[in-house]
Amino acid sequence: NAGVMQNPRHLVRRRGQEARLRCSPMKGHSHVYWYRQLPEEGLKFMVYLQKENIIDESGMPKERFSAEFPKEGPSILRIQQVVRGDSAAYFCASSPPPKTGDSVVQNEQFFGPGTRLTVL
Amino acid sequence: KNQVEQSPQSLIILEGKNCTLQCNYTVSPFSNLRWYKQDTGRGPVSLTIMTFSENTKSNGRYTATLDADTKQSSLHITASQLSDSASYICVVSWIANSGYALNFGKGTSLLVTP
Repeated sequence: NAGVMQNPRHLVRRRGQEARLRCSPMKGHSHVYWYRQLPEEGLKFMVYLQKENIIDESGMPKERFSAEFPKEGPSILRIQQVVRGDSAAYFCASSPPPKTGDSVVQNEQFFGPGTRLTVL
Repeated sequence: KNQVEQSPQSLIILEGKNCTLQCNYTVSPFSNLRWYKQDTGRGPVSLTIMTFSENTKSNGRYTATLDADTKQSSLHITASQLSDSASYICVVSWIANSGYALNFGKGTSLLVTP
């Protein structure tokens, strides 16, 4: 059972370009989370998705950022018109559906290796 | 202000020695607390997860403790190895009305030297 896959591992973009980051969850996992880690900072929650649904996007910047988790295929984090401040490591995590009676925050999350975005 | 504070920020120890990392949190109401290990250039890997009713949990040479009254947790590493060099992150979740609620500390950077 492969772990969480992210690609590309490294992405370089010039200011104004678009960045697309992909995340394939572990087999059987229907919950996906995206996090951003700035240099010398802790991980910050961005968005929580289930298949075809955005459950919580309270951590997403209001503009330029969007995320999706389609019925088929990987989850995509899309950043339009990138700026230098978007340079960071972006991590995806996945978890299985919570057990009956549990909330999703009790689920263990499995992280991918991250995509390091550099904006020139 | 971050609701999860970790100390020390960084730590250097000799191989074979023990060490203890601290985590204080102000998150409430509390659901669970996790410790993750993050190697440089990698994603975090879960070490332990504890609910408010658990005081201690072990995973090999890693032992986590939790005092929900004082809102403190510690991660004790026994007989350190060079491969323990990494960032150790404390993560606290709380019970939210809806959606998702995890709060990450900035981590303690541990270096184990020969």
